[in-house]
Amino acid sequence: DTEVTQTPKHLVMGMTNKKSLKCEQHMGHRAMYWYKQKAKKPPELMFVYSYEKLSINESVPSRFSPECPNSSLLNLHLHALQPEDSALYLCASSRLAGATTYEQYFGPGTRLTVT
Amino acid sequence: QKEVEQDPGPLSVPEGAIVSLNCTYSNSAFQYFMWYRQYSRKGPELLMYTYSSGNKEDGRFTAQVDKSSKYISLFIRDSQPSDSATYLCASITGANSKLTFGKGITLSVRP
Repeated sequence: DTEVTQTPKHLVMGMTNKKSLKCEQHMGHRAMYWYKQKAKKPPELMFVYSYEKLSINESVPSRFSPECPNSSLLNLHLHALQPEDSALYLCASSRLAGATTYEQYFGPGTRLTVT
Repeated sequence: QKEVEQDPGPLSVPEGAIVSLNCTYSNSAFQYFMWYRQYSRKGPELLMYTYSSGNKEDGRFTAQVDKSSKYISLFIRDSQPSDSATYLCASITGANSKLTFGKGITLSVRP
């Protein structure tokens, strides 16, 4: 099973709202990722968690707050977003560096619209 | 210069054609290479994953890596309308978990 699930599929939020995106995988992967993808662009890395600890933050604004409660779950908490934050937010997981394979498996994404 | 460059598109071919998608990379530390397929408004789906130079075949898809020239290719034989999607090449060093993507190319297979 190479499935990464994400909820919700779609989210519309105002600039003063607080919302959360959720991601789950049961492949035993110990690296999990958040990406942002704008239309007709490749995914852009936001955060990487390794063994449930934040290992990479690609200078993402603090209005995005990631959380990894356990090895299967990844959340992205959103607060005071701007309209330009509207995008497809993708979660991915993989084995960690040092393993024999590194391929990342992506979820279907959450399409976020900020009004 | 971006670390992974991908041929610009879009690309339109008739059904049954052989499709060649290409990328080049500049970072010699890249060791692992992936091709993702992304349908409109969906997440990227891992198609092929290669480590060494040479060819890897999976059904109608062949991934080719030439590390000496830093060239990555994906060939699709007997292309089908269902292959119409955006194809993204990606590379990773293995020292960390950062995946570097090409820009992506949109393929349209005409019935």
